[in-house]
Amino acid sequence: QKEVEQNSGPLSVPEGAIASLNCTYSDRGSQSFFWYRQYSGKSPELIMFIYSNGDKEDGRFTAQLNKASQYVSLLIRDSQPSDSATYLCAVDPGGGADGLTFGKGTHLIIQP
Amino acid sequence: DAGVIQSPRHEVTEMGQEVTLRCKPISGHNSLFWYRQTMMRGLELLIYFNNNVPIDDSGMPEDRFSAKMPNASFSTLKIQPSEPRDSAVYFCASSPDRSQETQYFGPGTRLLVL
Repeated sequence: QKEVEQNSGPLSVPEGAIASLNCTYSDRGSQSFFWYRQYSGKSPELIMFIYSNGDKEDGRFTAQLNKASQYVSLLIRDSQPSDSATYLCAVDPGGGADGLTFGKGTHLIIQP
Repeated sequence: DAGVIQSPRHEVTEMGQEVTLRCKPISGHNSLFWYRQTMMRGLELLIYFNNNVPIDDSGMPEDRFSAKMPNASFSTLKIQPSEPRDSAVYFCASSPDRSQETQYFGPGTRLLVL
């Protein structure tokens, strides 16, 4: 069974610091990787996706992928209280618009 | 664009009753996904459609669950009969054509089966 693992947290980070969220996946053939943010009581919202090994930056967010280690991470620089949410890692095992396998998420708290 | 629309937003029903959840995907999106989210199991894919055709229903928990997509702008997820363990938030998501892999989620239906 394809699995996506995340530390549930809560992960507490002071405002202005770098928040580091990690995810591992079991299916070595996975092609695409996504990070979603979910505020309490709301729906998941896509914030980053990455396909290739290495880093991908978008504003304060950086996604990092290491397929050999089956590891994907999300860094949030200059973290703000509004970044407090649950972050879901998701993996698409194949090409195309197939369904994603989600981790259970990491609850991030940014302390003012 | 109005985004993915789901109804009802909240549903409370008694065990044994039939429940129908509805979804309108974003116009022009060819793929539609039904997910269920609980604290215990997280977000799980139930079924997805491409061009109105069910592609993978392996996540549907049992025969009590069924899903249809009669046209490109409407889908239903039906639970009959409902059980307390079906209580969860049910999300519908849609995605552009198969060359893109991003999904846009609806607001969800919060279901409570008593």
